[in-house]
Amino acid sequence: EAGVAQSPRYKIIEKRQSVAFWCNPISGHATLYWYQQILGQGPKLLIQFQNNGVVDDSQLPKDRFSAERLKGVDSTLKIQPAKLEDSAVYLCASSPNRGSSYEQYFGPGTRLTVT
Amino acid sequence: GDSVTQMEGPVTLSEEAFLTINCTYTATGYPSLFWYVQYPGEGLQLLLKATKADDKGSNKGFEATYRKETTSFHLEKGSVQVSDSAVYFCALSDTPNAGKSTFGDGTTLTVKP
Repeated sequence: EAGVAQSPRYKIIEKRQSVAFWCNPISGHATLYWYQQILGQGPKLLIQFQNNGVVDDSQLPKDRFSAERLKGVDSTLKIQPAKLEDSAVYLCASSPNRGSSYEQYFGPGTRLTVT
Repeated sequence: GDSVTQMEGPVTLSEEAFLTINCTYTATGYPSLFWYVQYPGEGLQLLLKATKADDKGSNKGFEATYRKETTSFHLEKGSVQVSDSAVYFCALSDTPNAGKSTFGDGTTLTVKP
Protein backbone atom coordinates (compact mmCIF):
# COMPACT_ATOMS: atom_id res chain seq x y z
CA GLU A 1 0.00 0.00 0.00
CA ALA A 2 1.45 3.34 -1.05
CA GLY A 3 1.90 5.92 1.69
CA VAL A 4 0.83 9.54 1.84
CA ALA A 5 2.54 11.53 -0.91
CA GLN A 6 3.43 15.20 -0.66
CA SER A 7 5.10 17.65 -2.99
CA PRO A 8 7.26 19.58 -3.16
CA ARG A 9 9.58 18.38 -0.42
CA TYR A 10 11.30 21.74 -0.07
CA LYS A 11 10.34 25.28 -1.06
CA ILE A 12 12.05 28.61 -0.58
CA ILE A 13 10.11 31.79 -1.34
CA GLU A 14 10.28 35.46 -0.48
CA LYS A 15 7.75 37.08 1.81
CA ARG A 16 4.57 38.25 0.09
CA GLN A 17 4.91 35.53 -2.56
CA SER A 18 2.41 32.69 -2.84
CA VAL A 19 3.01 28.94 -2.54
CA ALA A 20 0.97 25.77 -2.89
CA PHE A 21 1.46 22.30 -1.44
CA TRP A 22 -0.09 19.09 -2.72
CA CYS A 23 -1.08 15.93 -0.86
CA ASN A 24 -2.29 12.55 -2.09
CA PRO A 25 -3.61 10.45 0.81
CA ILE A 26 -3.62 6.68 1.13
CA SER A 27 -6.28 5.20 -1.12
CA GLY A 28 -9.62 4.84 0.63
CA HIS A 29 -8.80 7.10 3.57
CA ALA A 30 -11.76 9.38 4.21
CA THR A 31 -10.11 11.85 6.56
CA LEU A 32 -7.27 14.18 5.55
CA TYR A 33 -5.36 16.56 7.81
CA TRP A 34 -2.97 19.45 7.18
CA TYR A 35 -0.60 20.43 9.97
CA GLN A 36 1.97 23.15 10.47
CA GLN A 37 5.04 22.09 12.47
CA ILE A 38 7.37 24.82 13.60
CA LEU A 39 10.84 23.71 14.68
CA GLY A 40 10.80 22.42 18.26
CA GLN A 41 7.01 22.23 18.47
CA GLY A 42 4.37 19.60 17.87
CA PRO A 43 2.19 19.55 14.78
CA LYS A 44 -0.57 22.14 14.87
CA LEU A 45 -3.77 21.19 13.04
CA LEU A 46 -4.65 23.69 10.31
CA ILE A 47 -7.57 21.96 8.64
CA GLN A 48 -9.28 18.58 8.66
CA PHE A 49 -11.42 17.17 5.84
CA GLN A 50 -13.85 14.27 5.99
CA ASN A 51 -14.31 13.26 2.35
CA ASN A 52 -15.07 16.59 0.62
CA GLY A 53 -16.25 18.48 3.66
CA VAL A 54 -14.33 20.53 6.21
CA VAL A 55 -14.57 19.13 9.76
CA ASP A 56 -12.40 21.73 11.46
CA ASP A 57 -10.50 24.78 10.24
CA SER A 58 -10.55 26.81 13.44
CA GLN A 59 -6.77 27.29 13.44
CA LEU A 60 -6.38 28.09 9.75
CA PRO A 61 -5.38 31.76 9.17
CA LYS A 62 -8.08 32.29 6.59
CA ASP A 63 -6.84 35.71 5.51
CA ARG A 64 -3.82 34.04 3.88
CA PHE A 65 -4.27 30.26 3.95
CA SER A 66 -6.74 28.24 1.91
CA ALA A 67 -7.21 24.54 1.32
CA GLU A 68 -9.38 22.32 -0.78
CA ARG A 69 -9.87 18.62 -1.23
CA LEU A 70 -10.62 17.58 -4.76
CA LYS A 71 -13.33 14.94 -5.13
CA GLY A 72 -12.55 13.68 -1.65
CA VAL A 73 -9.07 12.51 -2.64
CA ASP A 74 -6.13 14.88 -3.32
CA SER A 75 -5.76 18.13 -1.43
CA THR A 76 -3.92 21.41 -1.89
CA LEU A 77 -2.92 23.95 0.73
CA LYS A 78 -2.11 27.48 -0.41
CA ILE A 79 -0.50 30.44 1.30
CA GLN A 80 -0.96 33.89 -0.22
CA PRO A 81 0.83 36.10 0.69
CA ALA A 82 3.48 34.34 2.75
CA LYS A 83 4.98 35.85 5.89
CA LEU A 84 8.30 35.10 7.57
CA GLU A 85 6.49 33.31 10.41
CA ASP A 86 5.05 30.78 7.93
CA SER A 87 8.46 29.10 7.76
CA ALA A 88 7.72 25.57 8.96
CA VAL A 89 7.20 22.00 7.85
CA TYR A 90 3.72 21.38 6.43
CA LEU A 91 2.52 17.86 7.08
CA CYS A 92 -0.31 16.02 5.45
CA ALA A 93 -1.86 12.97 7.11
CA SER A 94 -4.76 10.67 6.34
CA SER A 95 -6.85 8.35 8.43
CA PRO A 96 -8.99 5.33 7.56
CA ASN A 97 -11.37 5.98 10.45
CA ARG A 98 -11.34 2.29 11.35
CA GLY A 99 -13.51 1.74 14.36
CA SER A 100 -13.26 4.82 16.54
CA SER A 101 -9.55 5.45 16.73
CA TYR A 102 -8.62 7.81 13.84
CA GLU A 103 -4.97 6.79 13.77
CA GLN A 104 -3.09 8.88 11.26
CA TYR A 105 -0.57 8.11 8.54
CA PHE A 106 1.78 10.97 7.72
CA GLY A 107 3.50 12.08 4.56
CA PRO A 108 7.15 13.21 4.52
CA GLY A 109 6.22 16.89 4.78
CA THR A 110 7.12 20.02 2.85
CA ARG A 111 9.76 22.25 4.41
CA LEU A 112 8.91 25.89 3.63
CA THR A 113 11.42 28.67 4.12
CA VAL A 114 10.19 32.26 3.74
CA THR A 115 12.96 34.84 3.35
CA GLY B 1 -10.46 23.15 23.88
CA ASP B 2 -8.52 19.91 23.96
CA SER B 3 -4.85 19.96 24.96
CA VAL B 4 -1.90 17.59 25.45
CA THR B 5 1.02 18.24 27.78
CA GLN B 6 4.23 16.25 27.58
CA MET B 7 7.19 16.26 29.89
CA GLU B 8 9.83 18.62 28.64
CA GLY B 9 12.97 17.23 27.13
CA PRO B 10 15.46 16.49 26.04
CA VAL B 11 15.85 13.15 27.78
CA THR B 12 19.23 11.41 27.70
CA LEU B 13 19.57 7.81 28.87
CA SER B 14 22.15 5.07 28.75
CA GLU B 15 21.39 1.91 26.81
CA GLU B 16 19.23 -0.59 28.77
CA ALA B 17 17.88 2.12 31.08
CA PHE B 18 14.16 2.38 31.91
CA LEU B 19 12.21 5.05 30.05
CA THR B 20 9.17 7.03 31.10
CA ILE B 21 7.82 9.99 29.13
CA ASN B 22 4.86 11.62 30.83
CA CYS B 23 1.78 12.75 28.96
CA THR B 24 -1.42 14.27 30.33
CA TYR B 25 -4.41 15.49 28.41
CA THR B 26 -7.50 17.64 28.67
CA ALA B 27 -10.54 16.72 26.62
CA THR B 28 -14.26 17.26 26.94
CA GLY B 29 -15.22 13.82 25.66
CA TYR B 30 -13.63 10.38 25.51
CA PRO B 31 -10.72 10.68 23.10
CA SER B 32 -8.49 8.05 21.59
CA LEU B 33 -4.86 8.44 22.66
CA PHE B 34 -1.70 7.90 20.64
CA TRP B 35 2.05 7.98 20.74
CA TYR B 36 3.75 8.89 17.48
CA VAL B 37 7.50 8.71 16.87
CA GLN B 38 9.78 10.58 14.50
CA TYR B 39 13.17 8.97 13.92
CA PRO B 40 16.00 11.17 12.61
CA GLY B 41 15.41 12.03 8.97
CA GLU B 42 12.06 10.24 8.83
CA GLY B 43 8.40 11.19 8.97
CA LEU B 44 5.98 10.81 11.87
CA GLN B 45 4.68 7.30 12.41
CA LEU B 46 2.25 5.71 14.80
CA LEU B 47 3.93 3.89 17.69
CA LEU B 48 0.91 2.75 19.71
CA LYS B 49 -2.65 3.66 20.57
CA ALA B 50 -5.46 3.13 23.09
CA THR B 51 -9.11 3.85 22.43
CA LYS B 52 -10.78 3.56 25.85
CA ALA B 53 -10.06 3.76 29.55
CA ASP B 54 -7.71 1.10 30.96
CA ASP B 55 -6.64 -0.01 27.47
CA LYS B 56 -2.92 -0.68 27.13
CA GLY B 57 -1.24 0.05 23.82
CA SER B 58 2.03 -1.68 23.07
CA ASN B 59 4.54 -1.93 20.23
CA LYS B 60 8.30 -2.52 19.88
CA GLY B 61 8.65 -2.95 23.66
CA PHE B 62 6.91 0.37 24.39
CA GLU B 63 3.71 0.48 26.45
CA ALA B 64 1.21 3.11 27.54
CA THR B 65 -2.00 2.74 29.54
CA TYR B 66 -5.06 4.99 29.11
CA ARG B 67 -5.75 6.32 32.60
CA LYS B 68 -9.03 8.25 32.63
CA GLU B 69 -8.91 9.02 36.35
CA THR B 70 -5.57 10.83 36.02
CA THR B 71 -6.08 11.87 32.36
CA SER B 72 -2.68 10.41 31.53
CA PHE B 73 -1.04 8.21 28.89
CA HIS B 74 2.58 7.82 29.96
CA LEU B 75 4.99 6.05 27.61
CA GLU B 76 7.29 3.39 29.11
CA LYS B 77 9.97 1.01 27.95
CA GLY B 78 11.89 -1.33 30.19
CA SER B 79 15.22 -1.29 28.35
CA VAL B 80 15.97 1.34 25.73
CA GLN B 81 18.33 0.90 22.81
CA VAL B 82 20.39 3.39 20.82
CA SER B 83 17.94 2.85 17.95
CA ASP B 84 15.10 4.28 20.12
CA SER B 85 16.65 7.76 19.84
CA ALA B 86 13.89 9.88 18.33
CA VAL B 87 11.27 12.52 19.05
CA TYR B 88 8.11 11.15 20.70
CA PHE B 89 4.74 12.90 20.40
CA CYS B 90 1.67 12.24 22.51
CA ALA B 91 -1.63 12.98 20.75
CA LEU B 92 -5.36 12.61 21.08
CA SER B 93 -8.23 12.32 18.64
CA ASP B 94 -11.62 13.57 19.75
CA THR B 95 -13.59 10.67 18.34
CA PRO B 96 -17.06 12.14 18.96
CA ASN B 97 -15.87 15.18 16.99
CA ALA B 98 -14.83 13.30 13.84
CA GLY B 99 -11.34 12.71 15.11
CA LYS B 100 -10.21 16.29 15.67
CA SER B 101 -6.57 15.91 16.52
CA THR B 102 -4.31 17.59 19.10
CA PHE B 103 -0.58 16.94 19.55
CA GLY B 104 1.86 17.62 22.36
CA ASP B 105 5.13 19.44 21.68
CA GLY B 106 7.24 16.31 21.59
CA THR B 107 10.02 14.89 23.76
CA THR B 108 13.46 14.25 22.31
CA LEU B 109 15.07 11.04 23.52
CA THR B 110 18.76 10.34 23.08
CA VAL B 111 20.10 6.94 24.08
CA LYS B 112 23.85 6.62 24.52
CA PRO B 113 25.74 3.33 24.23
